[in-house]
Amino acid sequence: AQTVTQSQPEMSVQEAETVTLSCTYDTSESNYYLFWYKQPPSRQMILVIRQEAYKQQNATENRFSVNFQKAAKSFSLKISDSQLGDTAMYFCAFMGFYNNNDMRFGAGTRLTVKP
Amino acid sequence: NAGVMQNPRHLVRRRGQEARLRCSPMKGHSHVYWYRQLPEEGLKFMVYLQKENIIDESGMPKERFSAEFPKEGPSILRIQQVVRGDSAAYFCASSPPSGFGSPLHFGNGTRLTVT
Repeated sequence: AQTVTQSQPEMSVQEAETVTLSCTYDTSESNYYLFWYKQPPSRQMILVIRQEAYKQQNATENRFSVNFQKAAKSFSLKISDSQLGDTAMYFCAFMGFYNNNDMRFGAGTRLTVKP
Repeated sequence: NAGVMQNPRHLVRRRGQEARLRCSPMKGHSHVYWYRQLPEEGLKFMVYLQKENIIDESGMPKERFSAEFPKEGPSILRIQQVVRGDSAAYFCASSPPSGFGSPLHFGNGTRLTVT
């Protein structure tokens, strides 16, 4: 069974600085998808970034980028130029290539951006 | 293009009552997923449905919980004879029929409080 581990329950960063959130996962599949979701206090789950395991290039979305290390089964999220609006819970998620009816989530990292 | 709509946003029930949570997927989406989030935890998969079919209910408790996604109308998550341990945020997500690797689009969740 796939598991997703986020080892940092809480993190903080100063506004405008860079922060990296860690995520590791366990799977025996060779193809799969990885995601980062953001959950602000409004509770809505917002997709931040998506990575396809068969692509070597790391995904980027504006200030958000990932460091995908397939051999190490690591999928960290880097937030550059942090903004106050980035304060939220961040969840790493795994979805199998052929089994997209079971997205597995990590326990989350609470990120606080300080002014 | 309206997103995933869940209602009610908050639901309070006394022990023993029934709770009905509704979810309308995004337009064009035919796959619906229900997740449960306990405080300070990630999302746990409950059930995956397509129109008139339950595809995977491996995350659903064996008793008191049921889900449906009729041909017409929203998906319903029903919890009978609620207990305090059912208090949680329940999220619905949808994805298009094209499938593989499509990120899930989440609603804002329903927070159920059992008193």
